[in-house]
Amino acid sequence: QKEVEQDPGPLSVPEGAIVSLNCTYSNSAFQYFMWYRQYSRKGPELLMYTYSSGNKEDGRFTAQVDKSSKYISLFIRDSQPSDSATYLCAMSEYNFGNEKLTFGTGTRLTIIP
Amino acid sequence: DAGVTQSPTHLIKTRGQQVTLRCSPISGHKSVSWYQQVLGQGPQFIFQYYEKEERGRGNFPDRFSARQFPNYSSELNVNALLLGDSALYLCASSFTTGGNTEAFFGQGTRLTVV
Repeated sequence: QKEVEQDPGPLSVPEGAIVSLNCTYSNSAFQYFMWYRQYSRKGPELLMYTYSSGNKEDGRFTAQVDKSSKYISLFIRDSQPSDSATYLCAMSEYNFGNEKLTFGTGTRLTIIP
Repeated sequence: DAGVTQSPTHLIKTRGQQVTLRCSPISGHKSVSWYQQVLGQGPQFIFQYYEKEERGRGNFPDRFSARQFPNYSSELNVNALLLGDSALYLCASSFTTGGNTEAFFGQGTRLTVV
């Protein structure tokens, strides 16, 4: 069993829809949770960073972490064609000085104009 | 400010050869990590260096090695290349502020082994 599970998709939604992306994990030591966006043939771009359980909002993006269920989500409101990319969840146990990230496989998202 | 820069962007090597990939972190970042991303998969952790010391190593064979220089730039070396080493190699630099550490990735080096 992988430490982090993520539905690879692909996921296609019409422009303006709300998108929900999810990951589950098995390692209860994970404390830091991130979402990255990766365009084709580019490096991952950090979108959201959260510590422990709770919600965090940044513009059209909301990240949720439920440590009791070992489940994290990313919501995208008013989705735009420019949001079409692969979305990777990532997690780590440690913070300063030891920052190994464990990634999901990524969900490929297409926003249809 | 310049982001994380990696060189070269693309590389084609033959099985059995050796390759060196380079990474320059964001100015002020002292930690550099390397990841391997095979097509259709998420990045897999290879190494992390902080202040020139190895702080972590992923499940990769000894053919993979790395080092960090006094200016915090880093090199990843892979010996005796195999076809399965074909992948996007990503470098990430990170810093800690307010108790949180955020990692920023370069555009990657796409290695093809033939």
